[in-house]
Amino acid sequence: DAGVIQSPRHEVTEMGQEVTLRCKPISGHDYLFWYRQTMMRGLELLIYFNNNVPIDDSGMPEDRFSAKMPNASFSTLKIQPSEPRDSAVYFCASSSVWSDSPLHFGNGTRLTVT
Amino acid sequence: EDKVVQSPLSLVVHEGDTVTLNCSYEVTNFRSLLWYKQEKKAPTFLFMLTSSGIEKKSGRLSSILDKKELFSILNITATQTGDSAVYLCAVEMNYGGSQGNLIFGKGTKLSVKP
Repeated sequence: DAGVIQSPRHEVTEMGQEVTLRCKPISGHDYLFWYRQTMMRGLELLIYFNNNVPIDDSGMPEDRFSAKMPNASFSTLKIQPSEPRDSAVYFCASSSVWSDSPLHFGNGTRLTVT
Repeated sequence: EDKVVQSPLSLVVHEGDTVTLNCSYEVTNFRSLLWYKQEKKAPTFLFMLTSSGIEKKSGRLSSILDKKELFSILNITATQTGDSAVYLCAVEMNYGGSQGNLIFGKGTKLSVKP
């Protein structure tokens, strides 16, 4: 199994630009999570999906952030417009009630907004 | 407010030393407590604890949970330079039956010197 796959690995963009982060969960996993990690706040849950349906988006910081999961094998996190304070590492993770640990993380996307 | 607090925030030891990392929590619907190791990329799963007083062990690492006092410890014996990482503690919430809805502590950065 290839694990959770995220792209791009690094993204550098200018303030005001749209940013789209992508995630492919582990096949068969029915939960997908987006986390953000910063030095100040650690790992924070942004949103999670169950069977492609958003369940809890209370962690999404503001309307500039949106997430979709059009099918079981793909999800996107979009920031429009981006701001310097959005700079962070964004992790996607997936899980299944049948897996041996609650979360399997992708390698993250390091976003820098200048 | 649900929270997970880890201590110390950072720790420097020499190879061969034994270390104890601490994690305390205050949550409303506790399901399990997890430990992750994060090097440069994705957090990797170490242990999941659900019951008090039962030690989980993997090689030189071990962990135990105290649900009465609301804390857990992670012990690493005979540390090696490869143990250098950030160790994350997370509490899984029993929230609508979901899997992987975790609240993370900010981590303990462990540096093992040769």
